[in-house]
Amino acid sequence: EVHLVESGGGLVQPGGSLRLSCAASGFTFSSYWMHWVRQAPGKGLVWVSRINSDGDTTSYADSVKGRFTISRDNAKNTLSLQMNSLRAEDTAVYFCASGGAVRPGDYWGQGTLVTVSS
Amino acid sequence: QSALTQPRSVSGSPGQSVTISCTGTSSDVGGYNYVSWHQQHPGKAPKLMIYDVTKRPSGVPDRFSGSKSGNTASLTISGLQAEDEADYYCCSYAGGYTLVFGGGTKLTVL
Repeated sequence: EVHLVESGGGLVQPGGSLRLSCAASGFTFSSYWMHWVRQAPGKGLVWVSRINSDGDTTSYADSVKGRFTISRDNAKNTLSLQMNSLRAEDTAVYFCASGGAVRPGDYWGQGTLVTVSS
Repeated sequence: QSALTQPRSVSGSPGQSVTISCTGTSSDVGGYNYVSWHQQHPGKAPKLMIYDVTKRPSGVPDRFSGSKSGNTASLTISGLQAEDEADYYCCSYAGGYTLVFGGGTKLTVL
């Protein structure tokens, strides 16, 4: 059975940093593109970033470009999102999702909540 | 990277059919056959229902179907069931190595 389990969320002050992780199991992690998608409280899904199976191709939404960095460790079946210079508008549940280059969400994690507030 | 446009809500009675639209531009929905649809029940993780405009992942009932015409994609759910009540989001490749979601549609089964 496929499992994606996010961790690392919490409360952080504006301007601070946080690193999210996503532990994958039940599928060949190294064969799939991975995505981060976020959802602000009571709002819709917003695509954040993606990384290819080898980890050498990444892309970002304009709203996080230059502040967030996606990475993966295929040996540990782990996806990460380093978030710097956090803003109040980054407050959201962050989901990791497996998929293809243009298709997030073959499988989704349950999400981890990030709250940016002083 | 403007969000795709979806109706805020749609409704239908059990057994009926409903269609949810997703309107973008020639730079996203209209430019690529890479539209996916995701179902989300309250407090739950989303679930992929349709990808590449018309394809259904294994395990998704054939009551769910997707289509596209020009800059508008559509998700049709036939034979509505109570468990179909959820939020539905479209997603499209938007060029420039980015993706964009729609604002979401709340489906109510009357």
